[in-house]
Parts: sequence; structure tokens; C-alpha cells
Amino acid sequence: AQRVTQPEKLLSVFKGAPVELKCNYSYSGSPELFWYVQYSRQRLQLLLRHISRESIKGFTADLNKGETSFHLKKPFAQEEDSAMYYCALRGPGNQFYFGTGTSLTVIP
Amino acid sequence: NAGVTQTPKFQVLKTGQSMTLQCAQDMNHEYMSWYRQDPGMGLRLIHYSVGAGITDQGEVPNGYNVSRSTTEDFPLRLLSAAPSQTSVYFCASSSSPGGYNEQFFGPGTRLTVL
Repeated sequence: AQRVTQPEKLLSVFKGAPVELKCNYSYSGSPELFWYVQYSRQRLQLLLRHISRESIKGFTADLNKGETSFHLKKPFAQEEDSAMYYCALRGPGNQFYFGTGTSLTVIP
Repeated sequence: NAGVTQTPKFQVLKTGQSMTLQCAQDMNHEYMSWYRQDPGMGLRLIHYSVGAGITDQGEVPNGYNVSRSTTEDFPLRLLSAAPSQTSVYFCASSSSPGGYNEQFFGPGTRLTVL
């Protein structure tokens, strides 16, 4: 069965410190993975997708099939990064499976 | 483009009442879906549609009905509301089922069932 696990509900880091939001998945096929972000009073929006190998707002995420992980990383956290982050997996039939989310707070 | 719109923003119902949450998109997207967001549960898929006239169940479909008579609209119906359906509901759309197409989300509807 498809499953996405985000072990940290809350994460606090100081401004300028590195940040890593963990995501592990369970899927028998070739995974399609995404990170979505929800800033305060805004709608959920796509941050990045693994196929693009892109860096958005300084964030990167590498798919590690051996560890079934897709952790989100940023070397220097900024206050504007404070938000709710969701890891998502696209499964069969285009169904998306979301993790429970990690609330990131960047302390000034 | 307005993107994905949802109405109402807030709603309070009594147990047993029925209502329809509206969702519309103006991007000519084929794929639309409904999620509920609950604390500690993340987003869970309720129903989805890959095109007009086609709907299917997601992870938590019980208590909800959907229809897709047009490409633009994808309403979610609660036939007999229960307190367990208190949640924030999000509608989303994307251009096609395949590939790595981004899902665009609506602003959400906060529903309370008393």
C-alpha cells in the first residue's frame, strides 16, 4: 500500500541554520514525489517535484530509493520559510497520498 | 484566471443536515479532486475525477457524493452531515492524470458539524 510518513509534526530552527524536513514513503512502483507548502493564510502550493531536480526558494530534495526517502533541505533557513510542509506521493490512478505535514518555524 | 475557487469559505451544519461544497476551476483541467485536512492526519483524498462524467473514490469516500457534469465544476455533497465530517475541505485540479503535472489547490472550506 502507498504511504507517506513525515515523522516530525513540529520543527524549529534558528534563522541561518540548516533545515531538513524528513519524508519517507512506501510504494511498490516507481515513485513520483512532491513537496507542497502552505504559508499562513495561503492555499497549498507546489514547492518542488523530484523529477525536476530543481531548487526552489533555496530548497532541494533528493529521492533516495534505497532508503525510500525524499527529505527536503535548505542550507540557511529564512524567516519566510515558516510554513506547513507536506510530502506527497502520486500513486496509481493519479491519486495523491500526503504525509501528515511538518510545521516549520524559523526563529529570528 | 481565478484558478480554483471554493464556496463557501466557512459553514456550520447540524447533524443530519445536507449541503454541497462547490468547487470550480477555469484552467480547463481534466483532473479534479477533493481532500479533507484533519489535525495529525494530513490531507486525505475523498473523491476524484479524471474528466467530465467520470468519478472515482479515494481513500475516505464514505458519507460523500460527487458528480462531474462539466469540466469546470466538481461539487462535493454531504447527504447527512456527521460530527466526524468536521474538517477543512480542499479542492484541487491538474491538467491531466499522467506526467508530473502540478495540482492547484483551492482556498479551502472550513466545515463544522454540531
